[in-house]
Amino acid sequence: GENVEQHPSTLSVQEGDSAVIKCTYSDSASNYFPWYKQELGKRPQLIIDIRSNVGEKKDQRIAVTLNKTAKHFSLHITETQPEDSAVYFCAASGSNNAGNMLTFGGGTRLMVKP
Amino acid sequence: EAQVTQNPRYLITVTGKKLTVTCSQNMNHEYMSWYRQDPGLGLRQIYYSMNVEVTDKGDVPEGYKVSRKEKRNFPLILESPSPNQTSLYFCASSFRDHTDTQYFGPGTRLTVL
Repeated sequence: GENVEQHPSTLSVQEGDSAVIKCTYSDSASNYFPWYKQELGKRPQLIIDIRSNVGEKKDQRIAVTLNKTAKHFSLHITETQPEDSAVYFCAASGSNNAGNMLTFGGGTRLMVKP
Repeated sequence: EAQVTQNPRYLITVTGKKLTVTCSQNMNHEYMSWYRQDPGLGLRQIYYSMNVEVTDKGDVPEGYKVSRKEKRNFPLILESPSPNQTSLYFCASSFRDHTDTQYFGPGTRLTVL
């Protein structure tokens, strides 16, 4: 089945700097790649997603890039703010052979220092 | 208000005592799923359901059962809980399938002694 690896596991940046989180996946047939943000004690919430027919997608300070050849995708947060502090999870959807499910990475704890 | 609810939110139990965690959504979503969250392992899918009476295994189904008798409800059943099932559990639903936005419930923190 699908395997998703996420790096780094923790990331500390100064307010205003950029943050980049990277994920790799194993199933070349995967075609959907969402990113979820989980604040402390809260439920995960979708922040952005990308499908395999697109190489990049932006939403204000957040962007996601996808490299299908290398089987990796990244989350970019610019001008970080303290409220960006959270755990971020990437995920990939397996091919139909793997079922209708999402496989998540291990998470990245982002800390934005004021 | 559109939402996914879970009950109970916190549960401490003992090995072998059957328990059920309920999940309900009011958005008429077809797809529902259960995840467990453990430190460093992210969210791992236990079971999912594409619609009423249609369920399938995720990555870590051992020790769990589910049912989908109604579209809005998707309970998670632990028939004989063990300490390695101590975890934070999330139910989620989406409009049609796993490639739609997943709306998560508030989570259930389960401790099995």
